[in-house]
Amino acid sequence: GAVVSQHPSWVICKSGTSVKIECRSLDFQATTMFWYRQFPKQSLMLMATSNEGSKATYEQGVEKDKFLINHASLTLSTLTVTSAHPEDSSFYICSARRTGANVLTFGAGSRLTVL
Amino acid sequence: DQQVKQNSPSLSVQEGRISILNCDYTNSMFDYFLWYKKYPAEGPTFLISISSIKDKNEDGRFTVFLNKSAKHLSLHIVPSQPGDSAVYFCAASVAGSARQLTFGSGTQLTVLP
Repeated sequence: GAVVSQHPSWVICKSGTSVKIECRSLDFQATTMFWYRQFPKQSLMLMATSNEGSKATYEQGVEKDKFLINHASLTLSTLTVTSAHPEDSSFYICSARRTGANVLTFGAGSRLTVL
Repeated sequence: DQQVKQNSPSLSVQEGRISILNCDYTNSMFDYFLWYKKYPAEGPTFLISISSIKDKNEDGRFTVFLNKSAKHLSLHIVPSQPGDSAVYFCAASVAGSARQLTFGSGTQLTVLP
């Protein structure tokens, strides 16, 4: 089956630093990956759609300069939270879809805590 | 504007009984619906899905029903087991949107032994 790996699973950083989260499709190629964010006891909110070889598409209200997305290969997308602040603390989850499939496969998520 | 709604934040059911989780949507362009199960600090796991051309899909203990006229779908779990305790998210997608998903707010299911 389709497997999506996300790393790191947990990261703590100081305010003002940048954090990179990786999302890899392990056994399939993904031209499109999605980045979601979840606050405690809330739904998963789509942040952006990551497109291989082109710019990401950001949802309304998501700062593209703060959440940098790079999808340099068919198996890797990265999300960089730049100049992180405590309000960026959240659970970030990526997902990818095998070509032809209707089902998205999710990574295990990355818990970001900004002190 | 919440296009996918799960109005019950929580549900408790006795082991062995049926669990019914409900979901409503407003966007008539949605043509594919999914249920995901999520444990704390983990990513969602796909459970079952249904296309808008069907009204029922069954997989073992899990059955999803779709009522397009009412823009309503439900997930039935029979019999419920303690291991089913998790947050269940309803999600929907539109053809041609790269299948990005719009999620409901989730329902915490607790199956009591």
